[in-house]
Amino acid sequence: EADIYQTPRYLVIGTGKKITLECSQTMGHDKMYWYQQDPGMELHLIHYSYGVNSTEKGDLSSESTVSRIRTEHFPLTLESARPSHTSQYLCASRRTGPADTQYFGPGTRLTVL
Amino acid sequence: AQSVAQPEDQVNVAEGNPLTVKCTYSVSGNPYLFWYVQYPNRGLQFLLKYITGDNLVKGSYGFEAEFNKSQTSFHLKKPSALVSDSALYFCAVRDWTGGYNKLIFGAGTRLAVHP
Repeated sequence: EADIYQTPRYLVIGTGKKITLECSQTMGHDKMYWYQQDPGMELHLIHYSYGVNSTEKGDLSSESTVSRIRTEHFPLTLESARPSHTSQYLCASRRTGPADTQYFGPGTRLTVL
Repeated sequence: AQSVAQPEDQVNVAEGNPLTVKCTYSVSGNPYLFWYVQYPNRGLQFLLKYITGDNLVKGSYGFEAEFNKSQTSFHLKKPSALVSDSALYFCAVRDWTGGYNKLIFGAGTRLAVHP
């Protein structure tokens, strides 16, 4: 098992709430990623970071924001959750080389009522 | 742009039979290819990867994959399926286009192994 952690694992909240999904890794990886996974399985990259103070948007437009103040920590925030944000969110990390394996956290399943 | 395709949404196999989950890729240059497995309510777990060298790559849980450059394929295989192998399987390729380095995932294949 990879040393990458996500909390909470499950979250049910009401519309309009602000939420932060936590992701941390103890492997010293520079690169970190957030994916959104549809109920139908497909993975969509929504944010990535190449290191501290580096964040970029991914392929799928998302209303969420991320920050990377410490190497090991890459939280995702939704300022005002909506039912359309209901999904599984997966965090991942890897070392720098292109051949390096990308490791995933266990995911956070978010339900917005 | 790099891409991968998993042509089957679902694969059904009887326990004890060999299994194959298909993946084809389209890349410019040499591909870096990966297989992941996802169990219910879990993240993706790394199974194996092909970077260079031997075309037959061995991975976790008895899985292996064969890189075939002429057919641009990287099919996942296991000689004898277990019911516990039932899960979602994702093929991925490393992409360097668009100014950053990322994994491109296939749509996933659901493997169902029946007793």
